[in-house]
Amino acid sequence: EPEVTQTPSHQVTQMGQEVILRCVPISNHLYFYWYRQILGQKVEFLVSFYNNEISEKSEIFDDQFSVERPDGSNFTLKIRSTKLEDSAMYFCASLVSPNTEAFFGQGTRLTVV
Amino acid sequence: GENVEQHPSTLSVQEGDSAVIKCTYSDSASNYFPWYKQELGKRPQLIIDIRSNVGEKKDQRIAVTLNKTAKHFSLHITETQPEDSAVYFCAASIRQAGTALIFGKGTTLSVSS
Repeated sequence: EPEVTQTPSHQVTQMGQEVILRCVPISNHLYFYWYRQILGQKVEFLVSFYNNEISEKSEIFDDQFSVERPDGSNFTLKIRSTKLEDSAMYFCASLVSPNTEAFFGQGTRLTVV
Repeated sequence: GENVEQHPSTLSVQEGDSAVIKCTYSDSASNYFPWYKQELGKRPQLIIDIRSNVGEKKDQRIAVTLNKTAKHFSLHITETQPEDSAVYFCAASIRQAGTALIFGKGTTLSVSS
């Protein structure tokens, strides 16, 4: 069964450093999302991406965050200058069309120290 | 924007009992309501979903009901088993528009044998 894959599974970074989280959505999917989940809390929406542009973003997704689809397969989330409060599990999700199931990746645990 | 409230935050039941988790949503335009199960350290996985054109959907021991007028929906698990123990999240979105899933805070279900 096809699945969304994310790398790395765990990343530890110094405060102020830039990180890039990578996602490979399912190949025929067209809608891409990033969510984050602080330990023990709910899954929070960050940004959605369709047709090579951001279609929706939350208040969390400020100027420190950016997304890119650099080629036909990868979908990346960049955090320019990480803060301690960015420590969370980051999930990528994709779906083939708006009326279908969202598939989540296994997540990247980001730890900012 | 959409806001999803979920109750209870924790639920403990004996094996074989039923479990009910309730959610309310704020945006009357939302028309898609999935439920996700998340086991510890793993990705959220869709267990059942309902669209606003139906009031109830069942899949074996799991059922979801939707009351559009009251803007609430519920997950019902019958004959619970220890492997049902997990965190359950409800979510809402406007499916045709491809808007992001907005999640509730989650319910930690513990099924003891």
